[in-house]
Amino acid sequence: GAGVSQSPRYKVTKRGQDVALRCDPISGHVSLYWYRQALGQGPEFLTYFNYEAQQDKSGLPNDRFSAERPEGSISTLTIQRTEQRDSAMYRCASSLRGGHETQYFGPGTRLLVL
Amino acid sequence: GESVGLHLPTLSVQEGDNSIINCAYSNSASDYFIWYKQESGKGPQFIIDIRSNMDKRQGQRVTVLLNKTVKHLSLQIAATQPGDSAVYFCAENRGYAGNMLTFGGGTRLMVKP
Repeated sequence: GAGVSQSPRYKVTKRGQDVALRCDPISGHVSLYWYRQALGQGPEFLTYFNYEAQQDKSGLPNDRFSAERPEGSISTLTIQRTEQRDSAMYRCASSLRGGHETQYFGPGTRLLVL
Repeated sequence: GESVGLHLPTLSVQEGDNSIINCAYSNSASDYFIWYKQESGKGPQFIIDIRSNMDKRQGQRVTVLLNKTVKHLSLQIAATQPGDSAVYFCAENRGYAGNMLTFGGGTRLMVKP
C-alpha cells in the first residue's frame, strides 16, 4: 500500500518568508510525527499527534514553528519568518497507534532558506 | 547529556561477510529500541525492533541484541550484500517521555563486492 508522502519534496525560499510543509500519513495511522534531520545526523524529534490532538511539541525550536492536524489525517508543519538556520530535511512519520509501534518515515521535504 | 550514540561512524565489510553495528545508550529508562536503515535520498526504513524485556530478536538476515547491563545494542547482518550499503541508525523510545524516538548519529556500512 501507499506509504507516508510529503510535499513539496524540495522547497527553496527567501529568508523571512513563511513555508508550509505537508505530510500525508499511511491511511488509518493514528499517530503522526515530525522530525528534522541534519546531514549525517539522525532525525530529531519536533512534535507529534494522536488523531488531531498535538500530544507533544517539546521539540519545536521556537514559536516560529507550529504544526496542525485538524482532521486527524494530513498534517502541516508551518515555519514563519524563515531563517537560514531552518534549512534542513524535514521528515514525517506515522504509526498505527502510539507507544511502541513502528514509525514509518516519509521521503522528507528538503528546505533551503536563502 | 542522555543520548543514543554509535561507536563506529563507518564500517567497511566484504560481500558475504557478517556485519555488526553497535550502539550505546545512556538512559536506563528506555524500553524500546529500533534499528533503521537509510539509503541515500530516502527516509529511514524500519529494520527490526526489540523491547527491553528481551535480549535478542531475529529477523530475516538480521539479529538485534540488547545488553541492558551495559546499555548496549547491536545489529548483526548475516551474509552482507551490496544492497545493505546504507547508513544505519539506532533509536530509542523512552516510554516515560512519550512516543518520540531519539536517534543516534548513524553508522555508514559500506559493502565491498
